Amino acid sequence: GAGVSQSPSNKVTEKGKDVELRCDPISGHTALYWYRQSLGQGLEFLIYFQGNSAPDKSGLPSDRFSAERTGGSVSTLTIQRTQQEDSAVYLCASSLWDSQETQYFGPGTRLLVL
Amino acid sequence: QKEVEQNSGPLSVPEGAIASLNCTYSDRGSQSFFWYRQYSGKSPELIMSIYSNGDKEDGRFTAQLNKASQYVSLLIRDSQPSDSATYLCAVRGYGQNFVFGPGTRLSVLP
Repeated sequence: GAGVSQSPSNKVTEKGKDVELRCDPISGHTALYWYRQSLGQGLEFLIYFQGNSAPDKSGLPSDRFSAERTGGSVSTLTIQRTQQEDSAVYLCASSLWDSQETQYFGPGTRLLVL
Repeated sequence: QKEVEQNSGPLSVPEGAIASLNCTYSDRGSQSFFWYRQYSGKSPELIMSIYSNGDKEDGRFTAQLNKASQYVSLLIRDSQPSDSATYLCAVRGYGQNFVFGPGTRLSVLP
């Protein structure tokens, strides 16, 4: 398909374990965004990439969270030593790099930390 | 800090009525404005984008932008039960990140 894809779709982990979430943006999109959405809440910005660099990491909630993007394409969000409060849906979106370009969202990864 | 505000709702309207969703933003440098619809358990999907002052119509949807008042709205005409969802307002300045509002939950009653 031509849309944003994310994997895994669901992840259940134990407190203290590390998890990796993957995002495949739409081909040709240079901007990539990660958001977190807790149950019944709005979108919480985490980080965005322009190409492989991340000009804005201001939303990462703690140093347990990190993200990288390689080849201007796939991005991985890593959460170390997961806590129960990390349970949420992690959404990835991509857009062409232009002030008027729309973000297109992936289906999300539902993370549950037990 | 850049902020986008919306009434959380729920906003309830009868089927066939006009639903009016409002959004205000704090950053005067904002240039692009978007409305997303999010069904429960699903990802946001784009409804409308607007970049210039005035109205933009697409089917039953009309987006209205007033940059002087830092206000953007979405009107849904002939509301249908299938329009029941959370509507997210998003704002972006040039070279900047998107900022999303908390969303307004709309309920269209049959």
